[in-house]
Amino acid sequence: EIVLTQSPGTLSLSPGERATLSCKASQSLSNNFLAWYQQRPGQAPRLLIFGASIRATGIPDRFSGSGSGTDFTLTISTLEPEDFAFYYCQQYANSPPITFGQGTRLEIK
Amino acid sequence: QLQLQQWGSGMLKPSETLSLTCAVYGGSFNTFYWSWVRQTPEKGLEWIGEINYNGIINYNPSLKSRVTMSVDRSNNQFSLSLSAVTAADTAMYYCARGGRMVGVTIYSFFDYWGQGTQVTVSS
Repeated sequence: EIVLTQSPGTLSLSPGERATLSCKASQSLSNNFLAWYQQRPGQAPRLLIFGASIRATGIPDRFSGSGSGTDFTLTISTLEPEDFAFYYCQQYANSPPITFGQGTRLEIK
Repeated sequence: QLQLQQWGSGMLKPSETLSLTCAVYGGSFNTFYWSWVRQTPEKGLEWIGEINYNGIINYNPSLKSRVTMSVDRSNNQFSLSLSAVTAADTAMYYCARGGRMVGVTIYSFFDYWGQGTQVTVSS
């Protein structure tokens, strides 16, 4: 089973700042099969990025994904108030099982 | 616009069987894998398993002995059963659209989700 470790656990920033979230895999992810999700309280997760760097339909271009192998990054270039939420990475390179990271909480400073 | 609507038992006693169903509206049912994912504050998001139109199933090995998934092609629905529940199975359960086949490769990220069902196991 591939373990995904996200850091930091909590990131405190202000609107307008840049956010950088990390996801490290215990094994190399073939084909960069990594996705990122945003989850707001009381809502289901929302797909942001798949294939490590491909934005899902309707996702603003301030969200970008990068990385390969075992190290991946989600960057939010300029934080909007609605971006403060939880973020999760998920791998689908080696399944079953599909696995998720434990999440990063992005909070308003 | 694709929509997933789920329903099922929300309150269970230990040793009972959890049953949830998810209906797919407004999109293709037969070209994807359909998954169940649960979430707890302690363990975060946990993938339970997936099923496709033809009944091909993949389970999370950690739950495999207690999970059964099925598909109802005539109604574009899929279902989850989890037997012998304990308090550790208390979670928010989501259905989601997952894998799509491209050639021989399955791309299993989740682009549509149900609204979630809170399941509580308590005596």
